[in-house]
Amino acid sequence: QQQVKQSPQSLIVQKGGISIINCAYENTAFDYFPWYQQFPGKGPALLIAIRPDVSEKKEGRFTISFNKSAKQFSLHIMDSQPGDSATYFCAAHGSGNTPLVFGKGTRLSVIA
Amino acid sequence: GAGVSQSPSNKVTEKGKDVELRCDPISGHTALYWYRQSLGQGLEFLIYFQGNSAPDKSGLPSDRFSAERTGGSVSTLTIQRTQQEDSAVYLCASSASNYNEQFFGPGTRLTVL
Repeated sequence: QQQVKQSPQSLIVQKGGISIINCAYENTAFDYFPWYQQFPGKGPALLIAIRPDVSEKKEGRFTISFNKSAKQFSLHIMDSQPGDSATYFCAAHGSGNTPLVFGKGTRLSVIA
Repeated sequence: GAGVSQSPSNKVTEKGKDVELRCDPISGHTALYWYRQSLGQGLEFLIYFQGNSAPDKSGLPSDRFSAERTGGSVSTLTIQRTQQEDSAVYLCASSASNYNEQFFGPGTRLTVL
């Protein structure tokens, strides 16, 4: 059972444009929502994360928007650059000894 | 300081052979995770350690897969009687606790011929 659904599977954005990746979760016990970025041949690395007590978190060009009632959260990449081309994974975590649950990933390509 | 390291970086084996994959977590990290990533696919959770114990083994795909962690540090993922469908990148991650950021290693690419 997939607990975090991520879309789209792939995304092509023009340089300077906005990239938007969406995730939806089912388990209301989740209370930590990170996004990971993975370049080819590398392991994923934490990009930005949010907890449900806020509706938005911004770090540089990266913003997470969180809608607790809809059980959805999204990653926005402003002024997308070719160097942002990577696979992005959303994830969710609940309390206790449970691991992160990952979405299936979005392959982003930013073209000049 | 050093990040998570994994060895070998690449492993090619014949069907039916056993393989061992090693993960060295960041020093002091109590939580350790194994994931599998098939080509172009997402991250499939395999097993999680808190210290030397494994509270969650639910992701191990079959009894051919096992993992151990000793001294609260190094972990070994063992796949017995490998099958072609075991071919994937095996990723290890560690965190200061189960509630913190996970730091991933570069992975071991396993190819079963």
